[in-house]
Amino acid sequence: GAGVSQSPRYKVAKRGQDVALRCDPISGHVSLFWYQQALGQGPEFLTYFQNEAQLDKSGLPSDRFFAERPEGSVSTLKIQRTQQEDSAVYLCASSFSGGQGYGYTFGSGTRLTVV
Amino acid sequence: DAKTTQPNSMESNEEEPVHLPCNHSTISGTDYIHWYRQLPSQGPEYVIHGLTSNVNNRMASLAIAEDRKSSTLILHRATLRDAAVYYCIPTPRNTGNQFYFGTGTSLTVIP
Repeated sequence: GAGVSQSPRYKVAKRGQDVALRCDPISGHVSLFWYQQALGQGPEFLTYFQNEAQLDKSGLPSDRFFAERPEGSVSTLKIQRTQQEDSAVYLCASSFSGGQGYGYTFGSGTRLTVV
Repeated sequence: DAKTTQPNSMESNEEEPVHLPCNHSTISGTDYIHWYRQLPSQGPEYVIHGLTSNVNNRMASLAIAEDRKSSTLILHRATLRDAAVYYCIPTPRNTGNQFYFGTGTSLTVIP
């Protein structure tokens, strides 16, 4: 596709429910990132993939958060037993190489509200 | 990670130039300086990046101080569509390429 696609656009989950957020990166983009953006704050890094390899997951806030990219294209961010503090916009970005000098393309995000 | 300081907010009149400053005094010699912007309800959008020399593209210009401790994003003629949060992001080479966004500058464009 022409851009990074994220689905669903909005998700309301009851506390304790599991959710799965999907990211379709630009075709051929090697690097994929997940960010979390709380209201009024800048995006914060969660995790980074190069192809199917998860090279950095240092930003994942707890073991309830899990991300995968099994075939090196589509990625899923899963949050188990959601809590209210998980309410945020989850952004996905992809890049051709991830190296310096290449801009990243972000999706419009998934807004998760935990009630 | 290089820490950045940006004004929380700025205003500009439509069709006037806007200079958005960023201090990054702890930047290392190999860090690029990226600028992204985020329009309401959208993901961040790449604006420009540079290393040492001033850079121009169709969206903006980036002026980098000689000591690289600060930079300025220049929008030559602000339009209402430029109203967004602008993030200045020094990017170390060895961090896995993730960005640390900070809180950015919220630009309001007045018609």
